[in-house]
Amino acid sequence: AQKVTQAQTEISVVEKEDVTLDCVYETRDTTYYLFWYKQPPSGELVFLIRRNSFDEQNEISGRYSWNFQKSTSSFNFTITASQVVDSAVYFCALSEALMGRRALTFGSGTRLQVQP
Amino acid sequence: GAGVSQSPSNKVTEKGKDVELRCDPISGHTALYWYRQSLGQGLEFLIYFQGNSAPDKSGLPSDRFSAERTGGSVSTLTIQRTQQEDSAVYLCASSLPGTNTGVYGYTFGSGTRLTVV
Repeated sequence: AQKVTQAQTEISVVEKEDVTLDCVYETRDTTYYLFWYKQPPSGELVFLIRRNSFDEQNEISGRYSWNFQKSTSSFNFTITASQVVDSAVYFCALSEALMGRRALTFGSGTRLQVQP
Repeated sequence: GAGVSQSPSNKVTEKGKDVELRCDPISGHTALYWYRQSLGQGLEFLIYFQGNSAPDKSGLPSDRFSAERTGGSVSTLTIQRTQQEDSAVYLCASSLPGTNTGVYGYTFGSGTRLTVV
């Protein structure tokens, strides 16, 4: 069965600091997808990124970057020069490519607080 | 619609009463999912619809929980004889058709916060 672990329950940083959110996953499937979602205080989950298991290239989008390493089953998320608006709960999730199995398995989330 | 719409946004009910939660997905999204998020917890999968059928309902916690979808669009999640442990935020998501969810990911609604007193 698949599992996603976000060991950091809560992180507090000061604005402009860099911060990395860890995500470790378990799956038996060779084809799978990994996601990060942001949940601001408003409650709605905002899609940030999707990465498939065959693409280990790191990705950068503005201040956000993602480091996917199959060797350690990790998909870590770094925010550079954090801002107060980055304060939210961040979820890592896994989707296996088995036919008929469509659900995402989520980690328990990391609450990021960025202090001004 | 432009996004996934859920109603009501908040619901307070007495223990033992039945409740219905509604989800209106993005037009054209044939896949629909219900998740539950208890206070301070991650998201727990409940049920998945493809069109009007539910090929995966493995996450429904008990037979008090049921869901249906009509016309390949609106879905209703019903909880009968509510218990205090049912208190949570119930999130709905939809996605485009595809061989698997990973191709497109989900769009989530804002959720229904259910409080059972």
